[in-house]
Amino acid sequence: QQQVKQSPQSLIVQKGGISIINCAYENTAFDYFPWYQQFPGKGPALLIAIRPDVSEKKEGRFTISFNKSAKQFSLHIMDSQPGDSATYFCAAGDSGGYQKVTFGTGTKLQVIP
Amino acid sequence: DTGVSQDPRHKITKRGQNVTFRCDPISEHNRLYWYRQTLGQGPEFLTYFQNEAQLEKSRLLSDRFSAERPKGSFSTLEIQRTEQGDSAMYLCASSLGGGRGRSYEQYFGPGTRLTVT
Repeated sequence: QQQVKQSPQSLIVQKGGISIINCAYENTAFDYFPWYQQFPGKGPALLIAIRPDVSEKKEGRFTISFNKSAKQFSLHIMDSQPGDSATYFCAAGDSGGYQKVTFGTGTKLQVIP
Repeated sequence: DTGVSQDPRHKITKRGQNVTFRCDPISEHNRLYWYRQTLGQGPEFLTYFQNEAQLEKSRLLSDRFSAERPKGSFSTLEIQRTEQGDSAMYLCASSLGGGRGRSYEQYFGPGTRLTVT
């Protein structure tokens, strides 16, 4: 049972372009939605997170958009740079539980010069 | 550096051997999580500690796996009688807990890459 669906599986974007990664969830108990960035051989690093009481959160070049009624959320990376090339995971957590997070399957982003 | 640390970073073992991994969380974090990540997949939850108490275990955690956090600080994950299917990256994460502010944010260590031959 895949509780968090992520797309696309891979993405190639030109430098300076916008990278968009989409996720959808099923469990309405989820109320915490982080995004993680992972480089090869490293652990995931928390990038940005949102709670369902807001529809958008922006931190630098990274923006999360959240649609509670559709149970969807997305990550936008503005002005994408080659250094952004990594695998990105969306995740969802339930603050009423033990706050473990359920991860999506990941999107491998390549930003080409 | 005050981040989550894991040891060893890499472990190669033969099938049937036992292995133990260690995780040192961020010092003020009272919640600790173990995840497993296989190639091309997202991390999957294995188990969770609040202080020294192990409060939840995934069905992925067979009886060959055991985890401890004896003094509510570092944690160990032991795999007995390893199988080739255990080959994966084992990740540890910690969070502050307490239900306020950014207490839910989990910070991951670099992981231990296990290869079972």
